[in-house]
Amino acid sequence: QTVVTQEPSLTVSPGGTVTLTCASGTGAVTSGYYPNWIQQKPGQAPRALIYSTTKKHSWTPDRFSGSLLGGKAALTLSGVQPEDEAEYYCLLYYGGARLVFGGGTKLTVL
Amino acid sequence: EVQLVESGGGLVQPGGSLRLSCAASGFTFSSYWMHWVRQAPGKGLVWVSHINSDGSSTTYADSVTGRFTISRDNAKNTLYLQMNSLRGEDTAVYYCVRGGPDTPLVFPYWGQGTLVTVSS
Repeated sequence: QTVVTQEPSLTVSPGGTVTLTCASGTGAVTSGYYPNWIQQKPGQAPRALIYSTTKKHSWTPDRFSGSLLGGKAALTLSGVQPEDEAEYYCLLYYGGARLVFGGGTKLTVL
Repeated sequence: EVQLVESGGGLVQPGGSLRLSCAASGFTFSSYWMHWVRQAPGKGLVWVSHINSDGSSTTYADSVTGRFTISRDNAKNTLYLQMNSLRGEDTAVYYCVRGGPDTPLVFPYWGQGTLVTVSS
């Protein structure tokens, strides 16, 4: 059973910067895992933010950026807004068309 | 505007079957990979299955292999998920997700989901 690990929760102040990470139980995350980042607010359907490690969808705000950091996939929010409070999920590709979500990070803006 | 509308969810007994549908509009359905992703109540997202644009290639999560079948009807712009031998742990909201034209490794558009409850 492949495990993808995210911080269970993080808190950030409005206007601040926060980095969420996504680790693979099999070793370092590389671009070959095609990391995706998905945002979900309570009671809403998920919304895609980042794909292929760094690429943004047309609707993704500029304050969101994706990267690889210390062997993990990372999502950085710069200039956090109150509306960024949400659950964030990463998704990694493990080959053989297998895809695994992380457990999610609950981001609180306080 | 891309729209994905799931239907077919409901209450089913353990061991029963259910077929979910996803009506797609606003894009050339026959050109895109499609996924099913589920979310148990209060839990995280879990990828279930995907299918390529012409339906010739399908892949499943280990937890549903042999029980679920993904398919599509490109003439009807509709994606399906046939779920057999349902278990309590299959209880979840099931989301239909559009992939990319050349790759399943992108998840830009999500439906609102349909709830499946497996219980006696």
